[in-house]
Amino acid sequence: GAVVSQHPSWVICKSGTSVKIECRSLDFQATTMFWYRQFPKQSLMLMATSNEGSKATYEQGVEKDKFLINHASLTLSTLTVTSAHPEDSSFYICSAASSGGAVEFLGTQYFGPGTRLTVL
Amino acid sequence: GDSVTQMEGPVTLSEEAFLTINCTYTATGYPSLFWYVQYPGEGLQLLLKATKADDKGSNKGFEATYRKETTSFHLEKGSVQVSDSAVYFCALNAGGTSYGKLTFGQGTILTVHP
Repeated sequence: GAVVSQHPSWVICKSGTSVKIECRSLDFQATTMFWYRQFPKQSLMLMATSNEGSKATYEQGVEKDKFLINHASLTLSTLTVTSAHPEDSSFYICSAASSGGAVEFLGTQYFGPGTRLTVL
Repeated sequence: GDSVTQMEGPVTLSEEAFLTINCTYTATGYPSLFWYVQYPGEGLQLLLKATKADDKGSNKGFEATYRKETTSFHLEKGSVQVSDSAVYFCALNAGGTSYGKLTFGQGTILTVHP
């Protein structure tokens, strides 16, 4: 149990285009999802916290208008990188926190496999 | 603020060697502590966790004990395998509640040679 998927797993786009990344919790409900960015050989940087049915909370320094987050249901959150530029190239990882079900899962974040974005 | 400090890597071991990756933390309240593992090109997988002092998390031969007195959560394994080669992240959830943010350490690269 506690599987999180991301789609696509990798994407290459031209500078100036927008890219949408989906994050789904497959077998549990997630009131809260998180979006991270990871640079090569570095730790994860939290970008924003996404709560179902409400606006995302962005970390300091993260542009809200550039990284649009939508959490329309308890199993789906999306991150849209608008007008992408080469400096947005990175590995984007989402996680979902279980909001119900078995006690051993409650409160733990489960991570998706990540999406490699390359902007040319 | 809350922080996690891991021993610097990379760590290189021979197969069947003993592994310790140190992790210490600073947090207010009573955090939950986690170890995550990341294999090349993949996302993070939860390895083990502990939610209160003296708890021991264990999984796949890895263990870590929540030591409040030393604010530590060191990861250990008695006999590593080549397949354990990965990046290991120590993390805390400062609120100790269900949906709080995770604070990560910088990650430790482990390479195990046959």
